Amino acid sequence: KQEVTQIPAALSVPEGENLVLNCSFTDSAIYNLQWFRQDPGKGLTSLLLIQSSQREQTSGRLNASLDKSSGRSTLYIAASQPGDSATYLCAVPLSRLTFGEGTQLTVNP
Amino acid sequence: NAGVTQTPKFQVLKTGQSMTLQCAQDMNHEYMSWYRQDPGMGLRLIHYSVGAGITDQGEVPNGYNVSRSTTEDFPLRLLSAAPSQTSVYFCASSRDTSRHGYTFGSGTRLTVV
Repeated sequence: KQEVTQIPAALSVPEGENLVLNCSFTDSAIYNLQWFRQDPGKGLTSLLLIQSSQREQTSGRLNASLDKSSGRSTLYIAASQPGDSATYLCAVPLSRLTFGEGTQLTVNP
Repeated sequence: NAGVTQTPKFQVLKTGQSMTLQCAQDMNHEYMSWYRQDPGMGLRLIHYSVGAGITDQGEVPNGYNVSRSTTEDFPLRLLSAAPSQTSVYFCASSRDTSRHGYTFGSGTRLTVV
């Protein structure tokens, strides 16, 4: 059974800081990994989909990396802004999509 | 391109009532699924479908029914609502179960009193 863990559970940083969110998974037989953002009371917005054949995927200030062999992915956010405050979820599809518990990010002005 | 559309956005039910949460997608995705999200429990899979006419149970299927008569629609039925079904429900779709990304609807916030 695939298990997904996200560290840290919560993170509070000042505006402008670069930060890294971590995601680990137990079954490396995956085709891709997806990072989502969820604002309070809202749905899940897909940020990045990184294929297993890729090492990295970038979108604006976001960069996701994937290392299948070690069962790890990181989401790097550059020059964080208060608008980045949200919960970030990583998810791994195998026979079904399995989510981590999420990292609740707060960026303080 | 609407993506995944869920209706209603909010609903209050009395215990014992039944209702259907609607989910529709316009991306011709074969795979559709329903999740519930509860504080401290994360997202849990209720039911899923790999194509029209095919459905299967997820982690927490009790108290819910689904059907998939068309590729576009995947309604979730609550047979006899219970307070334990108070939750936020998300519908998601993908081209398949594991090789492509998932698209989520905006959710239905359900309260059972």
